[in-house]
Amino acid sequence: GAGVSQTPSNKVTEKGKYVELRCDPISGHTALYWYRQSLGQGPEFLIYFQGTGAADDSGLPNDRFFAVRPEGSVSTLKIQRTERGDSAVYLCASSPSRTGAGLFFGEGSRLTVL
Amino acid sequence: QQQVKQSPQSLIVQKGGIPIINCAYENTAFDYFPWYQQFPGKGPALLIAIRPDVSEKKEGRFTISFNKSAKQFSLHIMDSQPGDSATYFCAASDWSGGSNYKLTFGKGTLLTVNP
Repeated sequence: GAGVSQTPSNKVTEKGKYVELRCDPISGHTALYWYRQSLGQGPEFLIYFQGTGAADDSGLPNDRFFAVRPEGSVSTLKIQRTERGDSAVYLCASSPSRTGAGLFFGEGSRLTVL
Repeated sequence: QQQVKQSPQSLIVQKGGIPIINCAYENTAFDYFPWYQQFPGKGPALLIAIRPDVSEKKEGRFTISFNKSAKQFSLHIMDSQPGDSATYFCAASDWSGGSNYKLTFGKGTLLTVNP
């Protein structure tokens, strides 16, 4: 596809459950980012990958959140022991490089924790 | 601590009007200021961005004005159209420090352009 693809588009889970959110970046983009957007707010930075490694994970709120990008393309955001406060839209973005002209965002995965 | 303050929260204009959205930042390390447009159910899309070496940048109907001393920047949309109705976010990051990707966003402005 031409854009950043995220799955699932919607995920409803119960408090305490484990969830995985997937991001398929634009082909050839080496940099990948996860942001979180709560209702009525702007996106907040979570983590940045350059290739396979997490170059900056300073935005992850706590150790329940983890992300991987094992082959330098697709990334998975993993959330353990979900809490109601984790409910948000999780946005993935990619760019040709860290200093690329802007971030290209996907449509997001809406997570609802009941 | 909200590092980028955006106003107004919502804005309604008539077609052809010039909506203006304002942002103010606190972190003096910020030196990259993009604006993103977001339609319902979609991800944000980059509209236009400015670095502090210029005070104004224009792309099509969109213009950013930047005031470094006041730590403020604004988006103007000329000849606005109903299709411009969306939520607009300003953002800022530290480009020179190598963190241009770590955007701090404002809370957004919901723009409605009436026909």
